[in-house]
Amino acid sequence: EVQLVESGGGLAQPGRSLRLSCSTSGFILNDYNMGWFRQAPGKGLEWLAFVRGRPYPGTTEYAPSVRGRFIISRDDSNSIAYLQMNSLKPEDTAVYFCARRGHSTMPRGSVYFDSWGQGTLVTVSS
Amino acid sequence: QPVLTQPPSVSAAPGQRVTISCSGSSSNIGNNFVSWYQQIPGTVPKLLIYDNDKRPSGIPDRFSASKSDTSATLDITGLQTGDEADYYCGSWDDSLSAVEFGGGTKLTVL
Repeated sequence: EVQLVESGGGLAQPGRSLRLSCSTSGFILNDYNMGWFRQAPGKGLEWLAFVRGRPYPGTTEYAPSVRGRFIISRDDSNSIAYLQMNSLKPEDTAVYFCARRGHSTMPRGSVYFDSWGQGTLVTVSS
Repeated sequence: QPVLTQPPSVSAAPGQRVTISCSGSSSNIGNNFVSWYQQIPGTVPKLLIYDNDKRPSGIPDRFSASKSDTSATLDITGLQTGDEADYYCGSWDDSLSAVEFGGGTKLTVL
């Protein structure tokens, strides 16, 4: 059974950093791209970043809203994906989800996420 | 403002059919595949549809979807009270190099 479990959320002051972890099981992390998302209270889904697995391990993509502030990474040996969040702002307050990108038979243009963690709440406030 | 446009809400009676639209542009839906997610209040997003019209295993065939040009549609037939949720469309955007979602559509089963 595929499982994703986020941790590392909590209360942070503006300008500080937090690192979120996504512990995975039930599949070989190296074979999959992993993404991070967030959902502010009462708002919709927002994609933040993803990091590729094989055949381009470690390569990344970021949403413009977090590029340069957030860093996604992965530790395939321990089956964990990370999101390092720096220079936090009150508007970063949200539930943060990690998700596994699904495999597609399409040659390009297919990006979807087939398994999601339960989320971890990040609150940025002084 | 979301790049993909969805109606904020739709409603229908149990047993009826509802359609949720998702409008984009040539940089996203027009040249890439669409996925749909269901988020029941208080729960995590669940993949309903991928690659425009494919259902993951376990998703009933009451849920179907299609894409035409720069728009996509999610159809739900035989509505059940358990279908009450927020529904999101998503697609890669070539211009933004980003995964984009619609703002979500709240389905109410009256």
